[in-house]
Amino acid sequence: QQQVKQSPQSLIVQKGGISIINCAYENTAFDYFPWYQQFPGKGPALLIAIRPDVSEKKEGRFTISFNKSAKQFSLHIMDSQPGDSATYFCAANRHKLVFGAGTILRVKS
Amino acid sequence: GAVVSQHPSWVICKSGTSVKIECRSLDFQATTMFWYRQFPKQSLMLMATSNEGSKATYEQGVEKDKFLINHASLTLSTLTVTSAHPEDSSFYICSARDWSGQNYEQYFGPGTRLTVT
Repeated sequence: QQQVKQSPQSLIVQKGGISIINCAYENTAFDYFPWYQQFPGKGPALLIAIRPDVSEKKEGRFTISFNKSAKQFSLHIMDSQPGDSATYFCAANRHKLVFGAGTILRVKS
Repeated sequence: GAVVSQHPSWVICKSGTSVKIECRSLDFQATTMFWYRQFPKQSLMLMATSNEGSKATYEQGVEKDKFLINHASLTLSTLTVTSAHPEDSSFYICSARDWSGQNYEQYFGPGTRLTVT
């Protein structure tokens, strides 16, 4: 019940395309859903986060879509750029963050 | 966003010695900090939660006598790996929550690469 399932494991997108990463959870008590971007050898950087009272949040090229009834949330990266190539982690929080397994995104130029 | 720093960014130590890693919240006060461990190409594994002024809460399977955590102030938490062995080599990352009103965001430090020889 504490798991967060993330897919796909890896993703290749053409420059300018849309990258979509999905996550699903079971615990309805989760109250905070952040997405992190991590480059090799660096700590995760908070990209964008959402709370369950909101269905969508947009910050620049990054959008979280949140479906409370389906217990799913996704990250959309619009106009993907080679500099977006990184590992992305979704997470969900009750008293501590539970992380998805990560998605390796490669944006081809 | 808020900034969390770690020091050192990398450290090499000999087997049997102890290593201390510092985590600081630079522009906010953090009553709660978290310590994670990350192996190559894997997700983050929570080791412990530290609350300012009280004992840390360790996750199942994490040896509290080996990984000593101290959260002495609202901006500083330390992780000491005692009697380090090669299997302790890993990427250690701290995290802190920045509260604004009733909500918070959770930020991570840049990580510390520990190599035990």
